[in-house]
Amino acid sequence: EDQVTQSPEALRLQEGESSSLNCSYTVSGLRGLFWYRQDPGKGPEFLFTLYSAGEEKEKERLKATLTKKESFLHITAPKPEDSATYLCAVQAWGSGTASKLTFGTGTRLQVTL
Amino acid sequence: DGGITQSPKYLFRKEGQNVTLSCEQNLNHDAMYWYRQDPGQGLRLIYYSQIVNDFQKGDIAEGYSVSREKKESFPLTVTSAQKNPTAFYLCASIGSGTHSYNEQFFGPGTRLTVL
Repeated sequence: EDQVTQSPEALRLQEGESSSLNCSYTVSGLRGLFWYRQDPGKGPEFLFTLYSAGEEKEKERLKATLTKKESFLHITAPKPEDSATYLCAVQAWGSGTASKLTFGTGTRLQVTL
Repeated sequence: DGGITQSPKYLFRKEGQNVTLSCEQNLNHDAMYWYRQDPGQGLRLIYYSQIVNDFQKGDIAEGYSVSREKKESFPLTVTSAQKNPTAFYLCASIGSGTHSYNEQFFGPGTRLTVL
C-alpha cells in the first residue's frame, strides 16, 4: 500500500526565515510526486510535479527536490502570504490511466512578520 | 476563464437525507475525481471517471453515488447510507491528451455539514 508522511505537521516561521518541509513516501514504483498549496476553505492549488530522483523544480520562493525516499519543499525567505497548508501526493506505476493519488496529511505553515 | 466550479459552497443535510454536490468543468478534461477531506487526514478518493458514462469506485465509495452523463459534469450524491458525511468535498479533473501522471486541477470545494 502506498504511503505518504509529511513533517512537521505545523511550522511557524518569521518572515525571511528559510526552512524545509518533508514528504516521505513508500510506493511500489514512483510515477510522479506532486506538491500542492491549500488555503483555508479552498481547493488545493498545484505547485510542482517531480518524476525522478535528483529532479528539482523552482517557483518564486519555493524549490522542490526529490530523492528515492522523500521530497523536500524548501522555502527561501518566506513572506506572510506563503502561509498555507502544503500537501504532498504520490502516484504509483500500475495505477493505470486513473491517475490515482495518495495524499499526505499536509504541513500547516504560518509565516509571521 | 476555464476552470472547475463546485456548488454549493456550503451544504447542510438532515439525518436520513440524500444530497447532491455539483461539479462542472469547462476545461474539456476527460477524467474527473471526487475526494473527501477531513481534519488531520489526507484527501481520500471517493469515485473517479475517465470517460462519459463510466466511473469507478475509489477507496471510500460506500454511501456515495455518482453519474457521468456529460463530459463537463460529475455530480456526487451523498446518500443516507453514509454514516459520517460531514467533511470538505473536492472535485478534480485532468486533461485529455495529457500523460495520466500530470497534475490534477481542483475545484473550490463544498463543505457539507450534517445537522
